[in-house]
Amino acid sequence: SQKIEQNSEALNIQEGKTATLTCNYTNYSPAYLQWYRQDPGRGPVFLLLIRENEKEKRKERLKVTFDTTLKQSLFHITASQPADSATYLCALNTSGTYKYIFGTGTRLKVLA
Amino acid sequence: DVKVTQSSRYLVKRTGEKVFLECVQDMDHENMFWYRQDPGLGLRLIYFSYDVKMKEKGDIPEGYSVSREKKERFSLILESASTNQTSMYLCAISSRRRGRTDTQYFGPGTRLTVL
Repeated sequence: SQKIEQNSEALNIQEGKTATLTCNYTNYSPAYLQWYRQDPGRGPVFLLLIRENEKEKRKERLKVTFDTTLKQSLFHITASQPADSATYLCALNTSGTYKYIFGTGTRLKVLA
Repeated sequence: DVKVTQSSRYLVKRTGEKVFLECVQDMDHENMFWYRQDPGLGLRLIYFSYDVKMKEKGDIPEGYSVSREKKERFSLILESASTNQTSMYLCAISSRRRGRTDTQYFGPGTRLTVL
């Protein structure tokens, strides 16, 4: 069956360290993969998108990698801050469809 | 700035009531989506619409219907609310422009409680 999984429900790290979140998928051939941030009681907010032919994408302190052989995306936040504490969702989309498949999210807590 | 608004942030209804959730966008995007989000289950697609009066079932359409009479407005209808429809409901939009990769923009969500 088709599945998209994110590592661990919760991740605690110390301020200033790099947070690494994982998104694994099976039985999909995504055209691209996206990462969203969601704060409690709010809708998700788009952060980064990476296409199947791209290995890495960066935006300020954020970096996303995409390995279609391993069927995995890694999301990194460098020099993490308490304000980065939130739930992070990955979502993939296969070409030719309008539908997005979301992971259940990883709750990140950055400790001061 | 993209604006996706939902008619209510919090809603409490009784079992058997008919419930309308409305989503309005100001971006002229073709695609509109309704999701529900539950702990441990993530975001699950209920219905989506790729054009006015067009709709397609998502993964969990049972107990729901939708209406899209105007491009900017997409309504989710619970014909007879049940307690297992207590959830956070999220509306999202995306563009279908040729050659562009679509991101989704979400509304703030409606937390619905059915008693």
